[in-house]
Amino acid sequence: QAVVTQEPSLTVSPGGTVTLTCDSSTGAVTSGHYPYWFQQKPGQAPRTLIYDTSNKHSWTPARFSGSLLGGKAALTLSGAQPEDEADYYCLLSFGIARKLFGGGTKLTVL
Amino acid sequence: EVQLVESGGGLVQPGGSLRLSCAASGFTFSNYEMNWVRQAPGKGLEWVSYISGSGTTIYYADSVRGRFTISRDNAKNSLYLQMISLRAEDTALYYCASEIRTFGDYWGQGILVTVSS
Repeated sequence: QAVVTQEPSLTVSPGGTVTLTCDSSTGAVTSGHYPYWFQQKPGQAPRTLIYDTSNKHSWTPARFSGSLLGGKAALTLSGAQPEDEADYYCLLSFGIARKLFGGGTKLTVL
Repeated sequence: EVQLVESGGGLVQPGGSLRLSCAASGFTFSNYEMNWVRQAPGKGLEWVSYISGSGTTIYYADSVRGRFTISRDNAKNSLYLQMISLRAEDTALYYCASEIRTFGDYWGQGILVTVSS
């Protein structure tokens, strides 16, 4: 049974840059895992930021970007804003019938 | 405007059953895949189940397979999740999520299911 791992918490300064990562216990994360990134603020439903590694929705702020980095999926926030403080979840697909979320990263902008 | 509205949650005893509904609007429901995702209180997200637009292809997470049944009524623009043999660990906020362009491009507000005696 695969396990998807994220940093439990990270802190970034306003205007700073931070990279969140998403790791798989089964080996390197590849584009074939179709990595997604979701943002969730308290009391709200999740919102997709990134899909298929690096693609953005129309609502995704330009300061967010997705990539593969060192065998992991990565979400980079460049120029952090106070409103970016939230929980971030990655999602990996393991074949057509199994999707696993990571445990989430609590991002503090301070 | 895409809208997804869940209903049917509540308090149920261990071993009990519950049926969740998700009313969809703002898009051609029958054309698109749908999912259920849940979130235990204070915990992370867990994908639960998927159904294709026609309803012919269905997948479940290991944690719910054999106990939960996903279905849809395209004439009523509605998605369902029938849950039986409920356990304390099924306590969560249950979201329906569309797959119009990508997985989870739109989400409902969630409906709380509490399994407790």
